[in-house]
Amino acid sequence: EDQVTQSPEALRLQEGESSSLNCSYTVSGLRGLFWYRQDPGKGPEFLFTLYSAGEEKEKERLKATLTKKESFLHITAPKPEDSATYLCAVLTGSGNTGKLIFGQGTTLQVKP
Amino acid sequence: GAVVSQHPSWVICKSGTSVKIECRSLDFQATTMFWYRQFPKQSLMLMATSNEGSKATYEQGVEKDKFLINHASLTLSTLTVTSAHPEDSSFYICSARGDFPPYEQYFGPGTRLTVT
Repeated sequence: EDQVTQSPEALRLQEGESSSLNCSYTVSGLRGLFWYRQDPGKGPEFLFTLYSAGEEKEKERLKATLTKKESFLHITAPKPEDSATYLCAVLTGSGNTGKLIFGQGTTLQVKP
Repeated sequence: GAVVSQHPSWVICKSGTSVKIECRSLDFQATTMFWYRQFPKQSLMLMATSNEGSKATYEQGVEKDKFLINHASLTLSTLTVTSAHPEDSSFYICSARGDFPPYEQYFGPGTRLTVT
């Protein structure tokens, strides 16, 4: 059964304290791994898509990496505005079919 | 990134009435759209996959007669909650996927439904 697990469930950081969020997955055929940010009461905001092991992508203070079993979202010198829930999802299926399988998310709180 | 809009952003209705939520992909064509439901402090739960010009595919346990989905064009999908009850109160989020690789998927801002 395809499965996505995120850890930790919640993370509290001081402003400037770097850390990483983990997303481990077990899927029969990975077609892409997605990271989203979700603020309370809003829809998820697209951050990154990773397609193959070894791939890395960066956006401001965020850097996503991918291995054959997991992905990490590294947050460097976070600011309070980085506080949000970060969702990881994997795309399975073929062609334009398939669906995203989401993890439970990591809620990040960055204190000033 | 691509823009997906939803309307309304929030709605309050009385038990027994129906509510329609619209989802539009504003700057790309999306043959495939998705409807999710999210409960407080939980992740997104896929309700159904909406394909332009064909019937929607519902996930197991989702009542297709209660949650009617119409994908009338490449940029518009609608979700109608029929005969709404308080237990249907939730946060509903639509999503649109590009038709070509890399098949990136973008989400709308969500609709908060409260049934009284």
